[in-house]
Amino acid sequence: KQEVTQIPAALSVPEGENLVLNCSFTDSAIYNLQWFRQDPGKGLTSLLLIQSSQREQTSGRLNASLDKSSGRSTLYIAASQPGDSATYLCAPNTNAGKSTFGDGTTLTVKP
Amino acid sequence: SAVISQKPSRDICQRGTSLTIQCQVDSQVTMMFWYRQQPGQSLTLIATANQGSEATYESGFVIDKFPISRPNLTFSTLTVSNMSPEDSSIYLCSVEDNEKLFFGSGTQLSVL
Repeated sequence: KQEVTQIPAALSVPEGENLVLNCSFTDSAIYNLQWFRQDPGKGLTSLLLIQSSQREQTSGRLNASLDKSSGRSTLYIAASQPGDSATYLCAPNTNAGKSTFGDGTTLTVKP
Repeated sequence: SAVISQKPSRDICQRGTSLTIQCQVDSQVTMMFWYRQQPGQSLTLIATANQGSEATYESGFVIDKFPISRPNLTFSTLTVSNMSPEDSSIYLCSVEDNEKLFFGSGTQLSVL
């Protein structure tokens, strides 16, 4: 059974800092891994999808890396802004659509 | 990318009643998924809904408690039956489109 761990559980940084969120998973036989953000009481917004054959994927200030063999992914956020404050979830997918979610990292960016 | 409309966005219900949550997608999709997010926790998959067949439930979830309908390729409902306070959660529907998961805005359910 896939288990997903996200570290840290919470993070508070001043505006403008670069930061890294970590995700580890126990079953490396994944098709892909997706990063989401969730605002309080809301649904999930897809940020990045990284295929198992890829090492990294970039979108604007976000960069996700994947080391499938070691069961790790990181989400790098450059020049953080208060609007980035949210919970970030990683979800490796080992079986069509049935992703396993981590508990998330709650990010607060202070102005 | 798929656009998903989910309703209601929130509801407050009495113990012992049932609530049906609707999920409408703007394109035809093969599989739809229903997730639960209990307070302070991450998402747990309830079931996978395929059009024309019975839903497939994950361990710990049963059809009598969470009946699901999937009448066509763009619509699904999840019913939370005989509710108790422990059912207070956010319920989310999701679809896979070009290998990405997309989510509805969620239904925040409180059971008194």
